[in-house]
Amino acid sequence: AQSVTQLDSQVPVFEEAPVELRCNYSSSVSVYLFWYVQYPNQGLQLLLKYLSGSTLVKGINGFEAEFNKSQTSFHLRKPSVHISDTAEYFCAVSNPETSGSRLTFGEGTQLTVNP
Amino acid sequence: NAGVTQTPKFQVLKTGQSMTLQCAQDMNHNSMYWYRQDPGMGLRLIYYSASEGTTDKGEVPNGYNVSRLNKREFSLRLESAAPSQTSVYFCASSTWWTYEQYFGPGTRLTVT
Repeated sequence: AQSVTQLDSQVPVFEEAPVELRCNYSSSVSVYLFWYVQYPNQGLQLLLKYLSGSTLVKGINGFEAEFNKSQTSFHLRKPSVHISDTAEYFCAVSNPETSGSRLTFGEGTQLTVNP
Repeated sequence: NAGVTQTPKFQVLKTGQSMTLQCAQDMNHNSMYWYRQDPGMGLRLIYYSASEGTTDKGEVPNGYNVSRLNKREFSLRLESAAPSQTSVYFCASSTWWTYEQYFGPGTRLTVT
């Protein structure tokens, strides 16, 4: 079974600073990886996903993530954050061979962007 | 195109009461899911339906039942609510070939 660990529960940053949200996964087989964002009192929406191909994945709102198979990581980055990026971010993993499209989520990282 | 809709948005129950959370999607997706979200625990899968006519248990199914009424609708039932079921419940749907799940706005349930 796969699992996901988000290494930081809270990340405070100042506006226009760069940010990295860290995600490690454990799985003995190939996986698909996702980052979702949840704004207050809303559902989750997909930021980006890695299924195959280039290990650098670009998503919406200027976010990108890099799949590192040797380190089993999928860290999310943005070079310059805005106040509007304040939200909770979830990393998720899917094992298409054993669990189809079911996702296992990490515990979430609350990103707070301060002026 | 409304995406994934959930009703109700809020609900307060007394211990032992029952209720059904409704979910519908208009994207012609095959798979549907029910999650619960608790602080510091991310989202945990309660039940899912890979296709119309099938349902399977997820990580935390105890105390819940589901019905895949048709391709569009997937309901979650609490037969005898307990305070431990106080949570925010999300429904999601997906196609099998994109693996991307689309989420509803959630139902905030409090059991007293």
